[in-house]
Amino acid sequence: DGGITQSPKYLFRKEGQNVTLSCEQNLNHDAMYWYRQDPGQGLRLIYYSQIVNDFQKGDIAEGYSVSREKKESFPLTVTSAQKNPTAFYLCASSIGGPGGELFFGEGSRLTVL
Amino acid sequence: GIQVEQSPPDLILQEGANSTLRCNFSDSVNNLQWFHQNPWGQLINLFYIPSGTKQNGRLSATTVATERYSLLYISSSQTTDSGVYFCAVVDRKDPGNQFYFGTGTSLTVIP
Repeated sequence: DGGITQSPKYLFRKEGQNVTLSCEQNLNHDAMYWYRQDPGQGLRLIYYSQIVNDFQKGDIAEGYSVSREKKESFPLTVTSAQKNPTAFYLCASSIGGPGGELFFGEGSRLTVL
Repeated sequence: GIQVEQSPPDLILQEGANSTLRCNFSDSVNNLQWFHQNPWGQLINLFYIPSGTKQNGRLSATTVATERYSLLYISSSQTTDSGVYFCAVVDRKDPGNQFYFGTGTSLTVIP
């Protein structure tokens, strides 16, 4: 089945540790996105990539890093510099361009103890 | 960036009732989508509707692009309709084609 797979679904980490969230898509989409959602809030854009080997910061990029070495993959690293990393992280993709429809993975819930 | 406002922020309905959710945006858009976030957090695509009207079962949506708003209609609501409804838009002037989300409408349908 075509879709977006995020892993792990749940992750617990100690403060000060870096963690990497995986996002893989087999939809042949050019554009990929990472969003953060806090309880009771909307979605905020962390990073996005419109093409392989290129990505741009979103509204809340500080404390996060990404790479886009393959079209199918867009991993997100939550670094120790992120002050409040506990959140729900959502990966999405679209065909790219102004009219592309956005599709989401199931999300990864990160809790920092 | 473009501003996206949704109303009402919260809505409680009796099962079987109808409702209208609204999304206002501050500038011209290339793309507008409605999503339903279920209790497990997953975002489900409801409509891709930059303009015009679409229907899917009990749900329908209308976007009036020239007046910068979109409406989502839910008829004969069911408890499974509960969750948060988001609209998202792409600013026509944004070369990065970012999606901007509203803050959502939280819907609770009670039996």
